[in-house]
Amino acid sequence: GQSLEQPSEVTAVEGAIVQINCTYQTSGFYGLSWYQQHDGGAPTFLSYNALDGLEETGRFSSFLSRSDSYGYLLLQELQMKDSASYFCAVPSGAGSYQLTFGKGTKLSVIP
Amino acid sequence: ETGVTQSPTHLIKTRGQQVTLRCSSQSGHNTVSWYQQALGQGPQFIFQYYREEENGRGNFPPRFSGLQFPNYSSELNVNALELDDSALYLCASSESTGTGEKLFFGSGTQLSVL
Repeated sequence: GQSLEQPSEVTAVEGAIVQINCTYQTSGFYGLSWYQQHDGGAPTFLSYNALDGLEETGRFSSFLSRSDSYGYLLLQELQMKDSASYFCAVPSGAGSYQLTFGKGTKLSVIP
Repeated sequence: ETGVTQSPTHLIKTRGQQVTLRCSSQSGHNTVSWYQQALGQGPQFIFQYYREEENGRGNFPPRFSGLQFPNYSSELNVNALELDDSALYLCASSESTGTGEKLFFGSGTQLSVL
């Protein structure tokens, strides 16, 4: 089976940096994805890591350590619109769109 | 390029009834997946269709069934509704040549079973 653990809630100040951690247990590893979901909205793809290291996309970065079964999403220069739930997810196999999601981290950005 | 669209946006049913949810894939995508998202939880995989055939299924009973049509649109059917079926149902499309990392989700259908 597959399982992912992430904090349920995080609060951060506008303009600051926040890190959302994700640890996973999988029978095979095929990459770690991150999705953002605003209340009432669709999950939106943010990033994907298949190899160890940091991937940067604008204000968002994602890190993976396969040896530690651990990854994180880093959000810089936080804006109020970043208030949302963030999910890490792993596919069940290579090229598979069957994703197992964590329970999500609700990020609240405060002034 | 149009995104993934789902209908209806909200639906109220009573226990024991049947429901059909619909999804139009993003242009050029031939793979569609359905997910169930309970309140405060992450999406949970129901099944996936590729070229009108189911080619992956999660831990859901047979009363959850689906179809994919030649234009790659899709339906999710749930029979004998139970109270626990109340959730947000998300459709996601993707390109079959992808590496499994990126799904394009619709905004979902909020189903309430009374």
